[in-house]
Amino acid sequence: GQNIDQPTEMTATEGAIVQINCTYQTSGFNGLFWYQQHAGEAPTFLSYNVLDGLEEKGRFSSFLSRSKGYSYLLLKELQMKDSASYLCAAYSGYALNFGKGTSLLVTP
Amino acid sequence: GAGVSQSPRYKVAKRGQDVALRCDPISGHVSLFWYQQALGQGPEFLTYFQNEAQLDKSGLPSDRFFAERPEGSVSTLKIQRTQQEDSAVYLCASSPRTGGYEQYFGPGTRLTVT
Repeated sequence: GQNIDQPTEMTATEGAIVQINCTYQTSGFNGLFWYQQHAGEAPTFLSYNVLDGLEEKGRFSSFLSRSKGYSYLLLKELQMKDSASYLCAAYSGYALNFGKGTSLLVTP
Repeated sequence: GAGVSQSPRYKVAKRGQDVALRCDPISGHVSLFWYQQALGQGPEFLTYFQNEAQLDKSGLPSDRFFAERPEGSVSTLKIQRTQQEDSAVYLCASSPRTGGYEQYFGPGTRLTVT
C-alpha cells in the first residue's frame, strides 16, 4: 500500500526559510516528487529526487533519505507568491501517489 | 508551446446525470493519466494510458467511471449516474515517456454534483 504524510498547514514570514517535511511508505519506490499547486490551478513540477541527498534549484531545495522514507522541501527567501499548496508524491512504477498537500501561507 | 488542456473547466451535474470530461494532452505525449482531487486533498490516481492502451484502471472508484483514449491522443473520462461523492476536480496529466516520470498537468475540470 501507499502512505504519504505531510503537515496540513504551515505559516511563515516573507523573507524567511521554511521546511516542509514528507514521510512515505510505499512499495516499488522509484523517486520522490514535489509539486506546487496554487488554488484552482494545475500542480506544477518543483523537484524530483531519486538518490539520497540534497538537490538545489534556486530558492527551492529538496532532500531525500530512502532508508528513512523521508523527504523535505526547503524554500528560502520566501515571497508572498509562494503561498500555495505543496504536494509530496512518491513515484512507483508509473503512478504518482500524492500526499494530501501542505498549505503554506506566507505573511508580510 | 501548448500545454495540457481540459474541457469543460467547470461542470455542474444533477445527481444521476452522465458527464464526459475531455483531456487534450501535449502533442506527441505517449502517457496519459487521470487523477481525482477532492477539496483539500492531494490528487488520487484513477487510470493510466500508454498510447491507446489502458494499462491500469485500478484507481477508478466504481464501474460508473470509464475512460478511453481511442487514437492515443485525446482522452475522455466518463462518469455515469453521477453521485454527490463524485464532486471533485478531475486532473489530466501527460508525459512524453512511458511511465509516470515528467508529468505535465492540465488545469482540471471542477465537477459539482447537486
